[in-house]
Amino acid sequence: DAKTTQPPSMDCAEGRAANLPCNHSTISGNEYVYWYRQIHSQGPQYIIHGLKNNETNEMASLIITEDRKSSTLILPHATLRDTAVYYCTLNRDDKIIFGKGTRLHILP
Amino acid sequence: NAGVTQTPKFQVLKTGQSMTLQCAQDMNHEYMSWYRQDPGMGLRLIHYSVGAGITDQGEVPNGYNVSRSTTEDFPLRLLSAAPSQTSVYFCASTRGDGNTIYFGEGSWLTVV
Repeated sequence: DAKTTQPPSMDCAEGRAANLPCNHSTISGNEYVYWYRQIHSQGPQYIIHGLKNNETNEMASLIITEDRKSSTLILPHATLRDTAVYYCTLNRDDKIIFGKGTRLHILP
Repeated sequence: NAGVTQTPKFQVLKTGQSMTLQCAQDMNHEYMSWYRQDPGMGLRLIHYSVGAGITDQGEVPNGYNVSRSTTEDFPLRLLSAAPSQTSVYFCASTRGDGNTIYFGEGSWLTVV
């Protein structure tokens, strides 16, 4: 079973920040939180990852709660090209299970 | 994508036929996996490998075999294709230790 829980879909207005939540209440101490997105039927692409601290890169920001049981991916200025399915996973090694992800719709 | 190559990209099989989906990576990654994705669904793990000579089952292993004779290659074999195996198949690799997973472009398989 997937170790993460995400809402099945979300809407966001173009130009606004998209905040995608993920619950991972059974996360263990050495598991990283990773976010990927899948556009159409392409292979998933890496967005960002973190262990304990908040992280930011050119694509997004990742906010991890202090207890590490949940996280939020933030796309600061969503565009139509951000329409995709976003997956939150816990990545240590070997057996990496993906949940069903969140389908993000960007509204013009 | 960063060095994960899948072949073929498209394949049509008849029920009962066998075939092998090829996956190769040139990043010297220890960990490789195969996922399937049905229309409108998420990724489901079929088999994975933590190194040459070592394989294990994922969430949906039935009907599929794998082997890992080298670090670079991780082929997925369908022994006797069934219409329920119609799906898009993704191969992935990672260095492990919480590092990024790299995916191939996918192989579209239709079983008629």
